[in-house]
Amino acid sequence: GAGVSQSPSNKVTEKGKDVELRCDPISGHTALYWYRQSLGQGLEFLIYFQGNSAPDKSGLPSDRFSAERTGGSVSTLTIQRTQQEDSAVYLCASRERLVNTEAFFGQGTRLTVV
Amino acid sequence: DAKTTQPNSMESNEEEPVHLPCNHSTISGTDYIHWYRQLPSQGPEYVIHGLTSNVNNRMASLAIAEDRKSSTLILHRATLRDAAVYYCILRDENSGGSNYKLTFGKGTLLTVNP
Repeated sequence: GAGVSQSPSNKVTEKGKDVELRCDPISGHTALYWYRQSLGQGLEFLIYFQGNSAPDKSGLPSDRFSAERTGGSVSTLTIQRTQQEDSAVYLCASRERLVNTEAFFGQGTRLTVV
Repeated sequence: DAKTTQPNSMESNEEEPVHLPCNHSTISGTDYIHWYRQLPSQGPEYVIHGLTSNVNNRMASLAIAEDRKSSTLILHRATLRDAAVYYCILRDENSGGSNYKLTFGKGTLLTVNP
């Protein structure tokens, strides 16, 4: 079956512009996570959703970052007024449930802010 | 999530077994030990997880010390495709509230020589 799908796979944007990153989780997965990975670094947690609610958004770096999830399915991560330090690979993952299930990751969106 | 310690890098030869260690001396009684790996230019993928008993699946084996303060991921016959960063993660699968994120450290970079 289809895995976690992220789009676009690559995005180059000018500093100061807004970007939207999309994540399509595996059908039926209630939990959805966003992570960020800068070049050569580990994964940095941003936010997770249970259904359409975001109980933990503690990892969002600033108020320029926001995320929403609709219909318990697709999620979008929005970065406003992008800065060069926002350049990274943004990864989405989904889990069937919040506990005792494996997380499936997408291939990520590589964001480059020039 | 409790902290884990892994070697920065390890090297192995193709078709030989690989033992990847992880120390987690502050593990609590309800922490599960999860392993994920990240191949180059891909999102992480689940490898295995366990609580107390050793676990086997098609990808690997997980050996957990009796005191649970350490564990070892065993790849029985390394292939070139196993070259990746391996992450050992602790998660309290019985926690309530908002603590459902997987916290990734730096992991171990495994190099497999032909």
